[in-house]
Amino acid sequence: RKEVEQDPGPFNVPEGATVAFNCTYSNSASQSFFWYRQDCRKEPKLLMSVYSSGNEDGRFTAQLNRASQYISLLIRDSKLSDSATYLCVVENNNDMRFGAGTRLTVKP
Amino acid sequence: NAGVMQNPRHLVRRRGQEARLRCSPMKGHSHVYWYRQLPEEGLKFMVYLQKENIIDESGMPKERFSAEFPKEGPSILRIQQVVRGDSAAYFCASSPQGQGNEKLFFGSGTQLSVL
Repeated sequence: RKEVEQDPGPFNVPEGATVAFNCTYSNSASQSFFWYRQDCRKEPKLLMSVYSSGNEDGRFTAQLNRASQYISLLIRDSKLSDSATYLCVVENNNDMRFGAGTRLTVKP
Repeated sequence: NAGVMQNPRHLVRRRGQEARLRCSPMKGHSHVYWYRQLPEEGLKFMVYLQKENIIDESGMPKERFSAEFPKEGPSILRIQQVVRGDSAAYFCASSPQGQGNEKLFFGSGTQLSVL
């Protein structure tokens, strides 16, 4: 089993749609969780951290379920500029592991 | 405060040559990570280093690949006797020392092409 697994994608959605990505992790001792965004041929950039209580940043909502070892990212009212690959990241003792990423394409 | 600096941005090598990729972390960061990304694939962890120490190299091939992060100077990822399958984007990331909930800051990557 992979350390971090994500929805395979790709997701093709119209502008304004709501889309959700899922991620599961295998190490129950993992301590911190993040979502990163990667545009084509560019470096990954932090989108948001994921907290146990769930957190929201504008149109983006992240949820963590430690019991199920599951993380989610919800994007509301999607924009063309949201098109990218979204990477789930899990950290344990400063050791960071990335999921393979889920590609999102938002179409007019 | 400059970000994570990687050089070169593009590196072309012929099969059998050596490739050296450099990474200077952000100022004050003592943790460095190297990742490899093949076309149309996700980031694959290679190695995690702190100053003068390799903490986790479980993602790095046992042969031909090595990494270091000396007390002075950048972190170096070295690939000896490169083969076509080594062609990929290699990303370096750094994070601050010793805090929980650490965030990674990435360099722009080195695109290695093996002819």
